[in-house]
Amino acid sequence: QSVLTQPPSVSAAPGQKVTISCSGSTSNIGNNYVSWYQHLPGTAPKLLIYENNKRPSGIPDRFSGSKSGTSATLGITGLQTGDEADYYCGTWDSSLSAGVFGGGTKLTVL
Amino acid sequence: EVQLVESGGGLVQPGRSLRLSCTASGFIFGDYAMSWVRQAPGKGLEWVGFIRSKAYGGTTEYAASVKGRFTISRDDSKSIAYLQMNSLKTEDTAVYYCTRVEGSGKAYSSGWYGSYYMDVWGKGTTVTVSS
Repeated sequence: QSVLTQPPSVSAAPGQKVTISCSGSTSNIGNNYVSWYQHLPGTAPKLLIYENNKRPSGIPDRFSGSKSGTSATLGITGLQTGDEADYYCGTWDSSLSAGVFGGGTKLTVL
Repeated sequence: EVQLVESGGGLVQPGRSLRLSCTASGFIFGDYAMSWVRQAPGKGLEWVGFIRSKAYGGTTEYAASVKGRFTISRDDSKSIAYLQMNSLKTEDTAVYYCTRVEGSGKAYSSGWYGSYYMDVWGKGTTVTVSS
């Protein structure tokens, strides 16, 4: 059971938009910044979003992040087949004194 | 090029020990905190623990699932982070990733609050715990 809750899967057609939610509590998302990671099987996970809504250099603006209260959302527009991957939210949990991840969401581009 | 390379994985019997290494290049290793993250077969990412830079005391934090069994250390002169794993269990079987940690925050009486994220990841090393 992960500290952060994500939907197990989402799907959408190429070119469409999808959002992935991440729900937590005041000890984690509510009072700390959220990051998002993309993980293709057999590869190293990649940082997509940090500090709720910032993109590292090289990450296209099709990827966006937002946070409200104890929840965060990753948005992906203009879906491409190459976006098929597992997506994880992450943050620090101040009560646990530990990093925490969501359970991951598998994105299928139909 | 900023790079992290893990090594030391393999097959080990339950109850035994294993030490993983993470060799960094392309950045000033001593300036950064480093963490370990694992992924068990068919499961999601699990944060294992991290070590702060010497500037912040070089102290460590661990997930409850490994506290008391795993130890993270660092050798800044060699740009290497280590994960010493003792009393291994079958549930420790996973791909172990080394990451560079970024962020900042403040410590209050109720805990540390701020930004904590992993901006560089290695490709991982596989640990299999089985008899």
